[in-house]
Amino acid sequence: GESVGLHLPTLSVQEGDNSIINCAYSNSASDYFIWYKQESGKGPQFIIDIRSNMDKRQGQRVTVLLNKTVKHLSLQIAATQPGDSAVYFCAEKGSGGYQKVTFGTGTKLQVIP
Amino acid sequence: GAVVSQHPSWVICKSGTSVKIECRSLDFQATTMFWYRQFPKQSLMLMATSNEGSKATYEQGVEKDKFLINHASLTLSTLTVTSAHPEDSSFYICSARDTHGEQYFGPGTRLTVT
Repeated sequence: GESVGLHLPTLSVQEGDNSIINCAYSNSASDYFIWYKQESGKGPQFIIDIRSNMDKRQGQRVTVLLNKTVKHLSLQIAATQPGDSAVYFCAEKGSGGYQKVTFGTGTKLQVIP
Repeated sequence: GAVVSQHPSWVICKSGTSVKIECRSLDFQATTMFWYRQFPKQSLMLMATSNEGSKATYEQGVEKDKFLINHASLTLSTLTVTSAHPEDSSFYICSARDTHGEQYFGPGTRLTVT
């Protein structure tokens, strides 16, 4: 059954526009941050990651920005496509190589054709 | 790339029965596997961490006697939901960590308890 709780915020973007998805984290000891994409009925899919000693990292059509001062993470998707429609989660991992991945609240991205 | 599979992908069971979900790392060894639960429109919540050959570590609020975890080999972990109730209906996702510390997620198992 569904627990009473938060519903995912939704971001609607026109196809071809850029998308910016934001995430706030609380653990200042987190050393490693990851963005995941989850399509309906599927497991999370790795998109891009960034270590705490960096403030920006770019991939193919995606950029992650990290602001440790305000504990804020963002994912930018360039030229958003219908296939980008999904729920996006930021996640964090503590210092040390073998910490578990902890997920933040997600954002649903809807791409309008 | 590293692949994690889950079986079954979906299951329907009657209230009071038990159901087992398998998680396998297909092309790598995983000394540690994680089990997450996700309710509709919510995030993934870690239930437990399972280490091969030892007892699982459960997160606060997760009943270890209800969610039995067995990690008998380096490629297989199982989650058994005992005496399932409708409120246990959820999407269960496993994750396996390789020897480099990278964590890979399975496709999830949809459990519906009627």
